[in-house]
Amino acid sequence: EAGVVQSPRYKIIEKKQPVAFWCNPISGHNTLYWYLQNLGQGPELLIRYENEEAVDDSQLPKDRFSAERLKGVDSTLKIQPAELGDSAVYLCASSSPRGSGEQFFGPGTRLTVL
Amino acid sequence: AQKVTQAQTEISVVEKEDVTLDCVYETRDTTYYLFWYKQPPSGELVFLIRRNSFDEQNEISGRYSWNFQKSTSSFNFTITASQVVDSAVYFCALSEANSGYALNFGKGTSLLVTP
Repeated sequence: EAGVVQSPRYKIIEKKQPVAFWCNPISGHNTLYWYLQNLGQGPELLIRYENEEAVDDSQLPKDRFSAERLKGVDSTLKIQPAELGDSAVYLCASSSPRGSGEQFFGPGTRLTVL
Repeated sequence: AQKVTQAQTEISVVEKEDVTLDCVYETRDTTYYLFWYKQPPSGELVFLIRRNSFDEQNEISGRYSWNFQKSTSSFNFTITASQVVDSAVYFCALSEANSGYALNFGKGTSLLVTP
């Protein structure tokens, strides 16, 4: 069974440019999460989806960040415009319909903003 | 407020030593889950264990063991006879019913095992 897929793995952009990250969860996993991991820190939740509905986006900086999960499968996280402080690893995770179970993480996208 | 505290930032041991990674959590939920994840230098988070709040039985899996104590709100992780391949950052995490079971991670403990 394929794991959580993320692309790209690495992205380098200049500040004020837009950037987008893509995530394909494990088949059948209704719940999808985006986390942000700064260097030397644990991941922090940005947004959680149940199917196509964003049920918790309280930690998403909505002035520059947006996310979508059309059709309740793949998800895209966008930053526009990017700032220097956005340099981090963006992790996607998915979990089974029970919700309280194990979350499977993708390899992450390492973003560097110059 | 930090809900998961991993007081040990870095630990260095010599191969074959036992090492315990501490985790203290804070929650008002009666239903919650505790996790440990390993993050090797490659960066991917690897699931190690999940415990629910109603199951305080300690667990052993090979060289790994976990001690869950609700009385002290702790969920400590012990590696017996450590190996160089155990070198990684280890994260303890809490998920609560009232937050949709999103993971709340500690800051991690960096473990270095030297030959």
